[in-house]
Amino acid sequence: GEDVEQSLFLSVREGDSSVINCTYTDSSSTYLYWYKQEPGAGLQLLTYIFSNMDMKQDQRLTVLLNKKDKHLSLRIADTQTGDSAIYFCAESGGTDKLIFGTGTRLQVFP
Amino acid sequence: DTEVTQTPKHLVMGMTNKKSLKCEQHMGHRAMYWYKQKAKKPPELMFVYSYEKLSINESVPSRFSPECPNSSLLNLHLHALQPEDSALYLCASSQDRHRVNTNYGYTFGSGTRLTVV
Repeated sequence: GEDVEQSLFLSVREGDSSVINCTYTDSSSTYLYWYKQEPGAGLQLLTYIFSNMDMKQDQRLTVLLNKKDKHLSLRIADTQTGDSAIYFCAESGGTDKLIFGTGTRLQVFP
Repeated sequence: DTEVTQTPKHLVMGMTNKKSLKCEQHMGHRAMYWYKQKAKKPPELMFVYSYEKLSINESVPSRFSPECPNSSLLNLHLHALQPEDSALYLCASSQDRHRVNTNYGYTFGSGTRLTVV
């Protein structure tokens, strides 16, 4: 099946790190993605990781991939109020279309 | 130009109206997509166009009719919609349908928020 699961909600204090988790089922995915969606807006590609990598760092963002457990995480260092949004992980599902996770709403408080 | 532009941003239509959503990109992408997103849910794929030909229809009701006049434009024609069709409609593009599995992913537009009354 093509199920991508995420926890629904995460609340963090400004300046702390945020970790958003994702589990997926399709082991044939080649790339996995993280998208950010602010209220009323479209989806912004934040970062991606190739399936033969364990980790990728891009400024404040760190992606960890555990292919054995089919677990993907996004760590945001020094979380800011502007990071408040919904975060979707997505996998290619071995086909031509992206399968999105259920989305995690990140709330950052001062 | 690295954007996908969607118009209108908001649309309110009656159940007997006919309207169209428009999407435009000038990145040379050859695959374009329509997604539907209900509140607090992930986007769901509706249609995929590859090289201006419809390649995927995810069993979408015929009251939604896509059209790809050229490689830069994608339309979604709406007719006799129901209130449950109210949602955010997102357009996206990628370099190539067969290369979606790359580090390019999709580029999304900001969406059209549709309300059917």
